[in-house]
Amino acid sequence: DAGITQSPRYKITETGRQVTLMCHQTWSHSYMFWYRQDLGHGLRLIYYSAAADITDKGEVPDGYVVSRSKTENFPLTLESATRSQTSVYFCASRLGPPSTGQYFGPGTRLTVT
Amino acid sequence: SQQGEEDPQALSIQEGENATMNCSYKTSINNLQWYRQNSGRGLVHLILIRSNEREKHSGRLRVTLDTSKKSSSLLITASRAADTASYFCATAIYNQGGKLIFGQGTELSVKP
Repeated sequence: DAGITQSPRYKITETGRQVTLMCHQTWSHSYMFWYRQDLGHGLRLIYYSAAADITDKGEVPDGYVVSRSKTENFPLTLESATRSQTSVYFCASRLGPPSTGQYFGPGTRLTVT
Repeated sequence: SQQGEEDPQALSIQEGENATMNCSYKTSINNLQWYRQNSGRGLVHLILIRSNEREKHSGRLRVTLDTSKKSSSLLITASRAADTASYFCATAIYNQGGKLIFGQGTELSVKP
């Protein structure tokens, strides 16, 4: 019963490099979400997906790209990392209607030098 | 933009005491949810209250919602050291895919 996993858990990269954060869930939940958590800003939604091949922007999408070719995976790519993208990234999933809660992964701590 | 504002930002109590956290929000919502985050971990869903509900209980948790004041409170009764964590409220608006907008959280410390 793995639930929702994220990899890597920790990543250090340099400015300008491309980085992909992985998210995998074993529940076949329809909805998946990416958030970033920063001191002073709480959690902010980057992108979300209602189903495979359906994605939409959240509050802070600039500099990020997502894809969802399979229901269980929702990778987040930073095309050219910047220092301002240093953060803790959380993936979450939800079974169906928004009348239920979300399940969060353990997070990826990303540092951009 | 943050939807939820939480108060207090930090709260320190002794084991056995009750802890109350408040959340205010700006726009109409369909439901409000509370999450817990232990240090270095992901968020855990605690309880959801719908906009047509005024109060909800789950174990030692009691949540109230006042849509006229756009506010909610989370009460943890008989707190334990294991309740030490950050607590976040989050609001959901269904016609926006049920996206959650989070407050900045209350950091609760329960001293044994």
